[in-house]
Amino acid sequence: AQSVAQPEDQVNVAEGNPLTVKCTYSVSGNPYLFWYVQYPNRGLQFLLKYITGDNLVKGSYGFEAEFNKSQTSFHLKKPSALVSDSALYFCAVRDGAGSNYKLTFGKGTLLTVNP
Amino acid sequence: DAGVIQSPRHEVTEMGQEVTLRCKPISGHDYLFWYRQTMMRGLELLIYFNNNVPIDDSGMPEDRFSAKMPNASFSTLKIQPSEPRDSAVYFCASSLGVGRFNIQYFGAGTRLSVL
Repeated sequence: AQSVAQPEDQVNVAEGNPLTVKCTYSVSGNPYLFWYVQYPNRGLQFLLKYITGDNLVKGSYGFEAEFNKSQTSFHLKKPSALVSDSALYFCAVRDGAGSNYKLTFGKGTLLTVNP
Repeated sequence: DAGVIQSPRHEVTEMGQEVTLRCKPISGHDYLFWYRQTMMRGLELLIYFNNNVPIDDSGMPEDRFSAKMPNASFSTLKIQPSEPRDSAVYFCASSLGVGRFNIQYFGAGTRLSVL
C-alpha cells in the first residue's frame, strides 16, 4: 500500500521569508512524487514532480522540492514567500512499480503568507 | 484548451434524490479520474477510466454510486439515492497516459450539498 503524510495542517510564514511544507511518503517500489496547489473554489493545479534524477526538483511559481530517499520525504520549498502563495497544498505519491496508476494524496497543508 | 470542465459547480439537493455530476476531459486525454474531497477523509479516488472503460472502481463507496463514460469527451458520476453524508466536493481529472511523466489535470469541482 502507498501512503502520504503531511504532518502540518497549517503553516504560517511572513512575506519574504522562506517557506517549507512537509511531506513524507511510503511505497513499495520507486516513488513518483507530486505537489499540487488548490486555491479557493478551484481545482488542484500541478506544481512539480519527482520521477528520477536530481533530488532537487524545480517547478512553477518559484517552488522547488527536495527528494530525500533515506528520510522518505519530499518537502516543498520556496526561498521567498508571496502573499499570493496562500493556498492549500497537497503532496501525492504513486508507486512506480507495476501497473498501479493511482495517486494517493495527503490531507493537505494550508499555507498562509502574512503581509 | 479550456481544461477539464465540470458541471454543475454547485448542487443542492434533498436526501433521496438522484444527483448527476458531469465532466468533460481535456481533448485527447485517455484517462479520466473521479475524486471526492471531504474535510474528514481528504481527497479520495473513486474510479478511473482508460479509453472510456472503467479500470478500477474500488474507491466507489457503495452501490448508490455509479459512473459512466459513454465517449471520450464525457463522463458522469451518479448518486442514487443521495444521502447527507455524500456532501463533498467532487473533482474530475484527466491525463494523457499514466506513464512516469503523467500529470493529472483537475476540473474546478462540483460542490454537492445533500440536505
